[in-house]
Amino acid sequence: NAGVMQNPRHLVRRRGQEARLRCSPMKGHSHVYWYRQLPEEGLKFMVYLQKENIIDESGMPKERFSAEFPKEGPSILRIQQVVRGDSAAYFCASSTEGYQAFFGQGTRLTVV
Amino acid sequence: SQKIEQNSEALNIQEGKTATLTCNYTNYSPAYLQWYRQDPGRGPVFLLLIRENEKEKRKERLKVTFDTTLKQSLFHITASQPADSATYLCALSFNFGNEKLTFGTGTRLTIIP
Repeated sequence: NAGVMQNPRHLVRRRGQEARLRCSPMKGHSHVYWYRQLPEEGLKFMVYLQKENIIDESGMPKERFSAEFPKEGPSILRIQQVVRGDSAAYFCASSTEGYQAFFGQGTRLTVV
Repeated sequence: SQKIEQNSEALNIQEGKTATLTCNYTNYSPAYLQWYRQDPGRGPVFLLLIRENEKEKRKERLKVTFDTTLKQSLFHITASQPADSATYLCALSFNFGNEKLTFGTGTRLTIIP
């Protein structure tokens, strides 16, 4: 049973480009969460999704950021027109109905 | 808004001793509290969960306590080993069934041989 898979592990984008981060939850998990970790800071919640639904996006910036979790395929976190301040590690976690989340290894986004 | 403080940014402990990490929070008590381990360049790994109506939880060399009066959780690693060196994160959740976690900034633990 593979864990939470995130790809790519490292992503470099120039300012103004789009970044797409993918997350495949653990088998049987229907809840996906995205977190951002800035250098020397704690993980900050961004968005919580279930299949085809956004449940809570209170931590996501209103502009340029979007997330989806389609019926088939991985969850996608999309950042349009990236800026230097978007450079961070982005972690995805998945769970079932219960309380324990399993995290992926993260995608490290660098904006140059 | 909820604030979470973890005792110190860095903690050095002699091998074999007990390491104790502190997590303090403000405002209302969470439904449950979790501890994670994070190694450099890796994702957080779940260690222990304790619910608001529980006082203590153990797992092998790990022990967590939860005091809702003091608004504090203590995380203990007994018989510490150099392999325990990592950053330890405290995380709170307020809603059952929703794994929206509020994390502390972590304590970087180094076990000195």
